[in-house]
Amino acid sequence: SQELEQSPQSLIVQEGKNLTINCTSSKTLYGLYWYKQKYGEGLIFLMMLQKGGEEKSHEKITAKLDEKKQQSSLHITASQPSHAGIYLCGADDNQGGKLIFGQGTELSVKP
Amino acid sequence: NAGVTQTPKFQVLKTGQSMTLQCAQDMNHEYMSWYRQDPGMGLRLIHYSVGAGITDQGEVPNGYNVSRSTTEDFPLRLLSAAPSQTSVYFCASSYSGFEKLFFGSGTQLSVL
Repeated sequence: SQELEQSPQSLIVQEGKNLTINCTSSKTLYGLYWYKQKYGEGLIFLMMLQKGGEEKSHEKITAKLDEKKQQSSLHITASQPSHAGIYLCGADDNQGGKLIFGQGTELSVKP
Repeated sequence: NAGVTQTPKFQVLKTGQSMTLQCAQDMNHEYMSWYRQDPGMGLRLIHYSVGAGITDQGEVPNGYNVSRSTTEDFPLRLLSAAPSQTSVYFCASSYSGFEKLFFGSGTQLSVL
């Protein structure tokens, strides 16, 4: 079965600093999703990547999928306290139903 | 649109009790799923459904039952609660299994 490994597990950065979160899959990724979870709330969809080499941006968050489609990175530029939360990567098994997730990366941004 | 609605938000059970976590969506989504979230383990898929009358097991199905009699509802049943089922449960839906998921706000369950 497919497994997703995220790194780091937790991250504390000073406001204004850049940061990167990685997501590595044990198998080829057919669809890679990034979600954000604020404490005590549900998950909010950020971005979806499907093609090797694909890159998407939304405000100060950029996500990339490598050419081999086994690793994705999420980069936040000039972090703000509003970026704090848990970031999770998810992937589908290309069989129409099982979206699995990594263990999450907890981000804290210090003012 | 209310989106994905989960009830209750909090629940405390005694070992051996049964209960049903409710999930409803008003977006006419075919795909619905249940996850549990435990510290350091991310989200783990319990059961999912690709349409009314169709359900399948996820990564951690033991101890849980589901049914999908309508497109809108996807209840999760705990037949005999165990302390290992203490967790936060999320219901999610999408138009299909290949598109972004919309999540409910979660149910925090404690089994004593």
